[in-house]
Amino acid sequence: KNQVEQSPQSLIILEGKNCTLQCNYTVSPFSNLRWYKQDTGRGPVSLTIMTFSENTKSNGRYTATLDADTKQSSLHITASQLSDSASYICVVSADSNYQLIWGAGTKLIIKP
Amino acid sequence: AAGVIQSPRHLIKEKRETATLKCYPIPRHDTVYWYQQGPGQDPQFLISFYEKMQSDKGSIPDRFSAQQFSDYHSELNMSSLELGDSALYFCASSLAGSYNEQFFGPGTRLTVL
Repeated sequence: KNQVEQSPQSLIILEGKNCTLQCNYTVSPFSNLRWYKQDTGRGPVSLTIMTFSENTKSNGRYTATLDADTKQSSLHITASQLSDSASYICVVSADSNYQLIWGAGTKLIIKP
Repeated sequence: AAGVIQSPRHLIKEKRETATLKCYPIPRHDTVYWYQQGPGQDPQFLISFYEKMQSDKGSIPDRFSAQQFSDYHSELNMSSLELGDSALYFCASSLAGSYNEQFFGPGTRLTVL
């Protein structure tokens, strides 16, 4: 069964600190993996999108990694800011269709 | 840059009423997706359209229907509304071939009383 699991469920860190969010998936055949940031009540915003041949991709203070062999991805946030408080969702696209398999997300809270 | 536009942003309806949600994709995007997101849940895929034809179907109830028009905007029609239909409804658009990277609209918050 195609699944995406994320950890931790929630995370609280102080402003300025770094953090890493994890994503494990069992989607096959794999097409690509995306990380979205979703503020409460708003639409998800794409941070990165990676295919199986890409190991790492950065978008400002966000760096995503992908290990297609172990089917794991991580999202590293550097020098966190209060505006980083949001849910971060790992989404995997299967090659066979255009549907996205969503993780449950990690709720990140940045405290001053 | 132009983004996905959804209207209305908020909608309050009573049980058994009907509702129509509209989505205007990013210019030149040919694919539109509809998602339903309940409180604290991840978005559930409802249906998608490519070049005005239904391309995929997810967990869309029979009471709901959708279509994509010649100008690529899409409408989600919801009838016999139930309390459980209260949710955020997101529309996303993409350009076929670009890994189908989906760009999401701000959502329509539907409340059924």
